[in-house]
Amino acid sequence: QKEVEQNSGPLSVPEGAIASLNCTYSDRVSQSFFWYRQYSGKSPELIMSIYSNGDKEDGRFTAQLNKASQYVSLLIRDSQPSDSATYLCAVNGNYQLIWGAGTKLIIKP
Amino acid sequence: GAGVSQSPSNKVTEKGKDVELRCDPISGHTALYWYRQSLGQGLEFLIYFQGNSAPDKSGLPSDRFSAERTGGSVSTLTIQRTQQEDSAVYLCASSLAQVTNTGELFFGEGSRLTVL
Repeated sequence: QKEVEQNSGPLSVPEGAIASLNCTYSDRVSQSFFWYRQYSGKSPELIMSIYSNGDKEDGRFTAQLNKASQYVSLLIRDSQPSDSATYLCAVNGNYQLIWGAGTKLIIKP
Repeated sequence: GAGVSQSPSNKVTEKGKDVELRCDPISGHTALYWYRQSLGQGLEFLIYFQGNSAPDKSGLPSDRFSAERTGGSVSTLTIQRTQQEDSAVYLCASSLAQVTNTGELFFGEGSRLTVL
């Protein structure tokens, strides 16, 4: 059974620092990787996707993929209190996404 | 509106009653997903529709749960003889095509079900 693992947290990071969120997956043939953000009481929204080994940057967000280690991460630079949320890692399955349980991130002012 | 619409937003029911939850996806989105999320937990997959057919119903927790989609659009999730453990937020999401390539799922605001 395909699995996606995340540390549930909470991960507490000072404002302005770099937040690092990690995710591992079990299916070696996975091709597509996604990070969703979910604010408390709200629905998830897609913030980053990555398909190739290496880094992908979008503003303050950088996704990193290492297929050999079956590891994907999300870095948030210059963390802001508005980044406080649960971050869900997802990996492509046959016709749906396989979800991690999410890491709760708290940015302390 | 242009987003995924779910109703009711909140539903309180008594144990043993039946409930229906409705999802109206974004127009033109062929794929529709139902998830369940309990407090502080991740997303639990329930069922996936491609058009009107459901290739995968494996996530439905029991035979008390059923879902249908008509006209390739609106979907209804029905829970019969509700139990307290059914209390959760039920999320519907849609995508333009099969989601596995783009990962872009558009979620509704959810239906919060409380079974007393």
